Amino acid sequence: GEDVEQSLFLSVREGDSSVINCTYTDSSSTYLYWYKQEPGAGLQLLTYIFSNMDMKQDQRLTVLLNKKDKHLSLRIADTQTGDSAIYFCAERNQAGTALIFGKGTTLSVSS
Amino acid sequence: NAGVMQNPRHLVRRRGQEARLRCSPMKGHSHVYWYRQLPEEGLKFMVYLQKENIIDESGMPKERFSAEFPKEGPSILRIQQVVRGDSAAYFCASSPPGTGVNTIYFGEGSWLTVV
Repeated sequence: GEDVEQSLFLSVREGDSSVINCTYTDSSSTYLYWYKQEPGAGLQLLTYIFSNMDMKQDQRLTVLLNKKDKHLSLRIADTQTGDSAIYFCAERNQAGTALIFGKGTTLSVSS
Repeated sequence: NAGVMQNPRHLVRRRGQEARLRCSPMKGHSHVYWYRQLPEEGLKFMVYLQKENIIDESGMPKERFSAEFPKEGPSILRIQQVVRGDSAAYFCASSPPGTGVNTIYFGEGSWLTVV
């Protein structure tokens, strides 16, 4: 079945780049997603990438997809304290009816 | 255009009571999804509904949990005879017709605490 794995914590200094990594198991996944969750709040879609793409850039965010290794990464350039949050990687299930989430990576940004 | 509205935001129930969580989707959205987030866990899919239909309930526990999305009114997630292990954040999401999970918007969640 589908499964998504992420490292649990990442700590960076303000102004540095952050790279959050994710691996997934379903090679037929057509879409992969990154969500952000701030404390006590719901999930906010940051970006998604279609499986026929290797890279997608959106302002400070860069998503890299390595289909061979089933590896997805999110790079945040010039990380700010406001980027401190939990970041979830997700893939769409085969039926297209649900998202399968990883456990989330807590990003801590120190000034 | 208001976002996905969930209420109550926080709910405390004693073991054995019933919990009812409500979700009003965004305007124009006819698809609703419920997810559960246990402490220090990611979100787990529970159920996907369209108006008056359950499309995918593969993530719903077999007992005590039910969901509906009536023709009029909000979607309801109902948990009967709650136990401590039901304590979690329950998130609702909605999407417009024809777009599926690529354009789902999450509500801010309902935090259930069972004492």
